[in-house]
Amino acid sequence: ETGVTQTPRHLVMGMTNKKSLKCEQHLGHNAMYWYKQSAKKPLELMFVYSLEERVENNSVPSRFSPECPNSSHLFLHLHTLQPEDSALYLCASSQGESFLNTEAFFGQGTRLTVV
Amino acid sequence: AQSVTQLDSQVPVFEEAPVELRCNYSSSVSVYLFWYVQYPNQGLQLLLKYLSGSTLVESINGFEAEFNKSQTSFHLRKPSVHISDTAEYFCAVRDHTGRRALTFGSGTRLQVQP
Repeated sequence: ETGVTQTPRHLVMGMTNKKSLKCEQHLGHNAMYWYKQSAKKPLELMFVYSLEERVENNSVPSRFSPECPNSSHLFLHLHTLQPEDSALYLCASSQGESFLNTEAFFGQGTRLTVV
Repeated sequence: AQSVTQLDSQVPVFEEAPVELRCNYSSSVSVYLFWYVQYPNQGLQLLLKYLSGSTLVESINGFEAEFNKSQTSFHLRKPSVHISDTAEYFCAVRDHTGRRALTFGSGTRLQVQP
C-alpha cells in the first residue's frame, strides 16, 4: 500500500465509449502525475499537476483530458480512444519542494484495453 | 532535456547468482537518480535513490547502485538474487532545477530461475 489508489484496476472500452480513470492520494502531497506504460517502452509522462494547476502536458492527444479538482484527486477522462492507447496508466504523487522529498509514490495502475 | 537508457530488456539469472542491471543517463544539468521496482500486477515502488554524498547507495533488500558521474551510469547490483526478486526494474532521473517529474528508462525484466 503506497498511499496512492487507482480505480478501476482494469478497464475494457470501445473506441466510441467515454470513461474516466480515478486516482486518489492520502499522503498530503502537492503534485500529481499521469504516466502511460506500454510494453517495451519507457514510461511516458502525460500530465503534471502542481497545487491543482496543470504545469506540464507532454503533447498528449486531446482524447485524453485530465482533471484535478483538489490536491488529493486526479482524473483522466477518456473518449474516442484508439487501440494503440491500450496500456497501463499509472498515477503518482510527490511533495516536490523539499530537497529530500524527491520520491514519487505510484498507484497500482489501471490496465486499459481499447477494442 | 534528459534521457535514460537501460540496455537490457531482459536479464535471466539463476537463484543465488549475482546480477547487474545497467542504466546510463544523459542530462545537461545535475540529476537525482532512482531505481524503481515493479512486481507483477503492481505499481512502481522506490528501491533506492542517489541524491548526494556517497556514490554507493543501498536498499534494505540487498540491492546497491553506484553513481558514476564520469560514465553517467547508475548500475544496479545484487550479489545473490532470490526468486522473489523477479520483477521489472526501472531506472529514472530527475533534474535539480525544479522540474518535478521523473524521466524513466524502458525497464529491465529480471527473471530469477531456480
